Amino acid sequence: GAGVSQSPSNKVTEKGKDVELRCDPISGHTALYWYRQSLGQGLEFLIYFQGNSAPDKSGLPSDRFSAERTGGSVSTLTIQRTQQEDSAVYLCASSLAPQETQYFGPGTRLLVL
Amino acid sequence: DQQVKQNSPSLSVQEGRISILNCDYTNSMFDYFLWYKKYPAEGPTFLISISSIKDKNEDGRFTVFLNKSAKHLSLHIVPSQPGDSAVYFCAASVYIYGQNFVFGPGTRLSVLP
Repeated sequence: GAGVSQSPSNKVTEKGKDVELRCDPISGHTALYWYRQSLGQGLEFLIYFQGNSAPDKSGLPSDRFSAERTGGSVSTLTIQRTQQEDSAVYLCASSLAPQETQYFGPGTRLLVL
Repeated sequence: DQQVKQNSPSLSVQEGRISILNCDYTNSMFDYFLWYKKYPAEGPTFLISISSIKDKNEDGRFTVFLNKSAKHLSLHIVPSQPGDSAVYFCAASVYIYGQNFVFGPGTRLSVLP
């Protein structure tokens, strides 16, 4: 498809388990972003990639969160030892360049029991 | 401390009338602003943007106004349609930094038929 895709669309996990979320950006988009939206909250910036490098990791809430991007395309966001407060919708967006409009994927709904 | 504020969590408007969504920011370095619309279970979609060199930008039924001295922007939707019912997010950035968009908490608009 032409848009940003994310998988899985929904993930239910037990507290303490690791989860991996995937984002496929729009082809040719060099910038990729991860956001989190908790219930009733706005969008919280997590991390930004320009190509395969992450110049801005300032939003990662703890060292349990990590992300990587390979081949300038697909990105994975990994949450280790999940906690209940990690439950949220994780949104990925991509843009042609950092200053350009961001196009969002549908999100992954994570529920940590 | 929220850098981008949307003080109305919700707004109800009659179909055909004007919807006005407000956004305030605190960082005077912000010079690029966007509005996104989000339907349930979907990622946000870009609506309209404005840079600080302008005070108005119009696209069909949507107009964004920027008052730099007041650090305030607003989105006007005229005429409002039931399909406009969604959550609207205001976002701001320092354009040369590009990637670090700061989102407001959102305003839920309900357009009543």
